[in-house]
Amino acid sequence: DTGVSQDPRHKITKRGQNVTFRCDPISEHNRLYWYRQTLGQGPEFLTYFQNEAQLEKSRLLSDRFSAERPKGSFSTLEIQRTEQGDSAMYLCASSSPFRGRPTYEQYFGPGTRLTVT
Amino acid sequence: EDQVTQSPEALRLQEGESSSLNCSYTVSGLRGLFWYRQDPGKGPEFLFTLYSAGEEKEKERLKATLTKKESFLHITAPKPEDSATYLCAVQQGYGGSQGNLIFGKGTKLSVKP
Repeated sequence: DTGVSQDPRHKITKRGQNVTFRCDPISEHNRLYWYRQTLGQGPEFLTYFQNEAQLEKSRLLSDRFSAERPKGSFSTLEIQRTEQGDSAMYLCASSSPFRGRPTYEQYFGPGTRLTVT
Repeated sequence: EDQVTQSPEALRLQEGESSSLNCSYTVSGLRGLFWYRQDPGKGPEFLFTLYSAGEEKEKERLKATLTKKESFLHITAPKPEDSATYLCAVQQGYGGSQGNLIFGKGTKLSVKP
């Protein structure tokens, strides 16, 4: 088991450009989550998928953000027309139902650091 | 509004000096409380899940406890390698989101040799 992986690890882009990030979850996990983290803050939820279905989106996820998980495996997060305020660490996590437990433990990837200049 | 507040924001300890980090929460029904460790530039690393008041979990020098309003992460005889930011997060049980975690801002722990 290789854990959650994210690509790229770092991305520098100019304001107005589009960027896309990829997340590969732990192989048997059916839930996948995206979070955003800025310096000195805890991660903030953006969206999550169960298999290929996007079940929830945060108010933080503006129209410029879109996420997909087409085959219920890896996921992509795209930001269109980037702004300086989009600079942050974008974290992906995955989880799987654990029988007898009321909730799911989320395991995070290393993150993608986005810098918008 | 659901909230998670961690204190202190930063904690400096000498190696071997035991202490506790606090996480207080207000949430509409608690499904679970989670502790994570985060090193600079890396993603959070899962430590513990607590489900109900009175529950305790231990791992090496760390022990997490839970009451109806707060959780504590006790660090016994810390070592420099325990230096990191410790994040607390909760998941709602009733209404609201069934998926996302609500995180606190974290406590940055520094352990000096």
